[in-house]
Amino acid sequence: GENVEQHPSTLSVQEGDSAVIKCTYSDSASNYFPWYKQELGKGPQLIIDIRSNVGEKKDQRIAVTLNKTAKHFSLHITETQPEDSAVYFCALLGTGGFKTIFGAGTRLFVKA
Amino acid sequence: DTAVSQTPKYLVTQMGNDKSIKCEQNLGHDTMYWYKQDSKKFLKIMFSYNNKELIINETVPNRFSPKSPDKAHLNLHINSLELGDSAVYFCASSQALSVYFGEGSWLTVV
Repeated sequence: GENVEQHPSTLSVQEGDSAVIKCTYSDSASNYFPWYKQELGKGPQLIIDIRSNVGEKKDQRIAVTLNKTAKHFSLHITETQPEDSAVYFCALLGTGGFKTIFGAGTRLFVKA
Repeated sequence: DTAVSQTPKYLVTQMGNDKSIKCEQNLGHDTMYWYKQDSKKFLKIMFSYNNKELIINETVPNRFSPKSPDKAHLNLHINSLELGDSAVYFCASSQALSVYFGEGSWLTVV
């Protein structure tokens, strides 16, 4: 079935450093890969996404890369700031288009 | 302006009770969902509705009954609550690819 694995489960970085979160998936038919940020006490919020016809997408300090052959995609946050501290989820859109499947989440701590 | 709003935000109730969580979206989306997030932060889809019709039911116990009176509302009723039902329940909606979540309803069963 459709599945997405996410690593690491916890990531601690110093302010200003970069953070990278990686996800792998099993279904080669998957073609949409969003990333969500969940702050304490709030719902997940879409921060960036990538479609399968693109290898990389950037939005200010965040970027996502996709390797369809290897079936993995990654989130890169540069120049991290304390307000980047949150739980980050990778996800993919399941076949049929009515189900977004989430990775297990990565708790990112940015130390000032 | 809240896009996806759900009530109540916090709910503490005893085992065996029946409770409901309400959800409304003002985004004009056709598709709505209920997700469950456990204490380890795993986010799992429970139900998906498109234009008031049930599309996905992810092997959720039939104590959970969603109802969509119109495409802007998706409510969740839970019968005979159990300790294991304690979690955060998120309502969400989407039109194309992006999913928009509500703020969550924290359910604690004691």
